[in-house]
Amino acid sequence: DGGITQSPKYLFRKEGQNVTLSCEQNLNHDAMYWYRQDPGQGLRLIYYSQIVNDFQKGDIAEGYSVSREKKESFPLTVTSAQKNPTAFYLCASSIWGSGANVLTFGAGSRLTVL
Amino acid sequence: ELKVEQNPLFLSMQEGKNYTIYCNYSTTSDRLYWYRQDPGKSLESLFVLLSNGAVKQEGRLMASLDTKARLSTLHITAAVHDLSATYFCKSSGGSNYKLTFGKGTLLTVNP
Repeated sequence: DGGITQSPKYLFRKEGQNVTLSCEQNLNHDAMYWYRQDPGQGLRLIYYSQIVNDFQKGDIAEGYSVSREKKESFPLTVTSAQKNPTAFYLCASSIWGSGANVLTFGAGSRLTVL
Repeated sequence: ELKVEQNPLFLSMQEGKNYTIYCNYSTTSDRLYWYRQDPGKSLESLFVLLSNGAVKQEGRLMASLDTKARLSTLHITAAVHDLSATYFCKSSGGSNYKLTFGKGTLLTVNP
């Protein structure tokens, strides 16, 4: 079955450490996205990518980095520069272009800073 | 800057009752999306509304779009406990990538 796989599901990080969240999709979608969800804040866009080797900052990109070396993969690194990284991180993908760009989401990764 | 506002943010209702969730957005948008999120889970797509006057229905949920008023509604008919979840609307704001979400409406349906 096609879908998006995020890993790990839960992750604990010490202050000052970088961590990388994995996101893989087999939907043949061109576009991929990373969102952060905090209680009462809804979803905020961190980064998105329309095609391989290209990505754009979203609303809250500071302290995060991404890469898009393959169409299927869009890993997110939470760096030590991110001051408040404890959150639920959601990866999504969609077709790109005109028409309905419905997002398909992964199951999410919950990051806690100790 | 595109802003998407949902109200109410919290909704507690009894089974069997009807209610409407509102989604207002600040800039012209030709597409409006509704998603559902169960506690601790990811989001799943409910409806995509692609034009003014569009109406979509599935089960006890019906969504509509008024692009002139920049308003979408999600109407719940005869609520049941299984509808308890957080509902998000998302506007495209006329752009393919700035898919801005509302803050979500936490719906609790009580027996």
